[in-house]
Amino acid sequence: GAGVSQTPSNKVTEKGKYVELRCDPISGHTALYWYRQSLGQGPEFLIYFQGTGAADDSGLPNDRFFAVRPEGSVSTLKIQRTERGDSAVYLCASSLTGEGASFFGSGTRLTVV
Amino acid sequence: DAKTTQPPSMDCAEGRAANLPCNHSTISGNEYVYWYRQIHSQGPQYIIHGLKNNETNEMASLIITEDRKSSTLILPHATLRDTAVYYCIVRVGSGGGADGLTFGKGTHLIIQP
Repeated sequence: GAGVSQTPSNKVTEKGKYVELRCDPISGHTALYWYRQSLGQGPEFLIYFQGTGAADDSGLPNDRFFAVRPEGSVSTLKIQRTERGDSAVYLCASSLTGEGASFFGSGTRLTVV
Repeated sequence: DAKTTQPPSMDCAEGRAANLPCNHSTISGNEYVYWYRQIHSQGPQYIIHGLKNNETNEMASLIITEDRKSSTLILPHATLRDTAVYYCIVRVGSGGGADGLTFGKGTHLIIQP
């Protein structure tokens, strides 16, 4: 597709469960970012990939959060032992090189009950 | 923390120019000014960015003061579809890195019919 695609668009999970959120970036974009947005707040940076490697994971809140991008394209954000406080919209963005404009997906709304 | 200050909300009449201010008094020499907007329930959308010269594209104009401590985003003929939260972000640019975007709370622009 032409834009950044995120699946699923909505995910409801029980506290303590494991979830995976997927991001398909724009074809050819080497940079990929994950953000988290809580209600009424601006997006919060989580992690940045350049190619296959995580160039900056300083925004990950704790070790329950992990992300991979094994082939330098699709990325998966993984959350273990989910907590109610993890409920948020998780946004993915990609950029051609990392500089300049980032293009965002519509996000995955995660609800932990 | 965001390095920018924006008014929390603004109104503008449809068809008029919307001028959104942003203060970034601690901006560094290698930092660019970026503007994104977020329409309800969508991911952020890139609008424009600049270093020190004024910039214009099909969406908006960006006016940066000579001392670079503030800027104004101008939507020349606002429509109802421009109602959104507008984020002003400073970010290291060319060659400096491709770090994640640090969003503040932005300005909620409401276009009145």
